Amino acid sequence: KAGVTQTPRYLIKTRGQQVTLSCSPISGHRSVSWYQQTPGQGLQFLFEYFSETQRNKGNFPGRFSGRQFSNSRSEMNVSTLELGDSALYLCASTRAGGLYADTQYFGPGTRLTVL
Amino acid sequence: GNSVTQMEGPVTLSEEAFLTINCTYTATGYPSLFWYVQYPGEGLQLLLKATKADDKGSNKGFEATYRKETTSFHLEKGSVQVSDSAVYFCALSERLGANSKLTFGKGITLSVRP
Repeated sequence: KAGVTQTPRYLIKTRGQQVTLSCSPISGHRSVSWYQQTPGQGLQFLFEYFSETQRNKGNFPGRFSGRQFSNSRSEMNVSTLELGDSALYLCASTRAGGLYADTQYFGPGTRLTVL
Repeated sequence: GNSVTQMEGPVTLSEEAFLTINCTYTATGYPSLFWYVQYPGEGLQLLLKATKADDKGSNKGFEATYRKETTSFHLEKGSVQVSDSAVYFCALSERLGANSKLTFGKGITLSVRP
């Protein structure tokens, strides 16, 4: 079974621009979560989508948004980029939908650099 | 809220040395516990997990036991290899319900010398 894929792997943007990152979950997985990883803050939860609905949200400004499509693929968008948005953005998928929380499987990440 | 505390790093060991990486947690419910590993330039890989008290997770020679009484999930390996050099993250998620959010520790870098 193919793993979680993320595109693009690397991005360079300038301040004020916006960016869209894409994530394709493992086949059959219905939940997609996004995390931001930086040297200073570590791994922080951004949001989770399940059945095209945002089910959980972390403590990030409204410039960070996401969506999920009917095939479970997800995108996240960051508008008005700031230097501090430079990070590795990780996507994770789970089967979800059951009583118990499932294990999350991560993609390779998208490295975003804001100049 | 939930939190995970890992021992300070980095850790440098010689090949075949014994490894212990400490992890303690604070949670309101009954979390599942995980160890993830990140190799340079890659995403996170699940190393092992435990979903209830006294469960032992194991994989690739690594082990960790879910200790509810000490709220700990320490990672151990009897004999490390150079290929184990990576960053290790302890994490928890709420076990019940639809909340898949993972709370991570800060991670610890392990370097293994030949």
